[in-house]
Amino acid sequence: EPEVTQTPSHQVTQMGQEVILRCVPISNHLYFYWYRQILGQKVEFLVSFYNNEISEKSEIFDDQFSVERPDGSNFTLKIRSTKLEDSAMYFCASDRGKYSNQPQHFGDGTRLSIL
Amino acid sequence: DAKTTQPPSMDCAEGRAANLPCNHSTISGNEYVYWYRQIHSQGPQYIIHGLKNNETNEMASLIITEDRKSSTLILPHATLRDTAVYYCIVRVNQVEYGNKLVFGAGTILRVKS
Repeated sequence: EPEVTQTPSHQVTQMGQEVILRCVPISNHLYFYWYRQILGQKVEFLVSFYNNEISEKSEIFDDQFSVERPDGSNFTLKIRSTKLEDSAMYFCASDRGKYSNQPQHFGDGTRLSIL
Repeated sequence: DAKTTQPPSMDCAEGRAANLPCNHSTISGNEYVYWYRQIHSQGPQYIIHGLKNNETNEMASLIITEDRKSSTLILPHATLRDTAVYYCIVRVNQVEYGNKLVFGAGTILRVKS
């Protein structure tokens, strides 16, 4: 069964450094998402992406964050200058999008640790 | 904020049916009920979804009340591997409303031998 894959599984970065998290969504999906989960807290929506542009973003998704689909398969989340509070699990998800009854599927996440 | 209410935790004996309730009293006519679960810190795993009819797949059954204000996820024969946080989420499947999922705290299901 097709699945969403994320790399790396664990990323350790110094505060202030840039980090790029990578995702390969399911191939026939059209909408892509990033969520995060701080340890012990709820899963929070960050951003959705469709047709090469952001369709919705949360208050968390400030100017330090950006997303990109650099080619036909990858979907990336960049954090420009990481802060301690960016430490979290980051989940990528994808679905068929508009009017589709099909569910959203998630990757197993990247654990981001900021030192 | 999540539009659903779930009990914070439940216990279930291994081999027995686990019945997880969810209240969604403000659900709109075009909103679907989705169930996901999260084992440890893995990514949320899709279980089942429905609009108004009861649904069944290889993982679970979903019973939605006639007024659609509540639903129950049924794991027919719970195993230790079903221990997880279960999330009930309502979502509109139309892009104008956004396709994001809004997660609440969910129900921690502990399956015990």
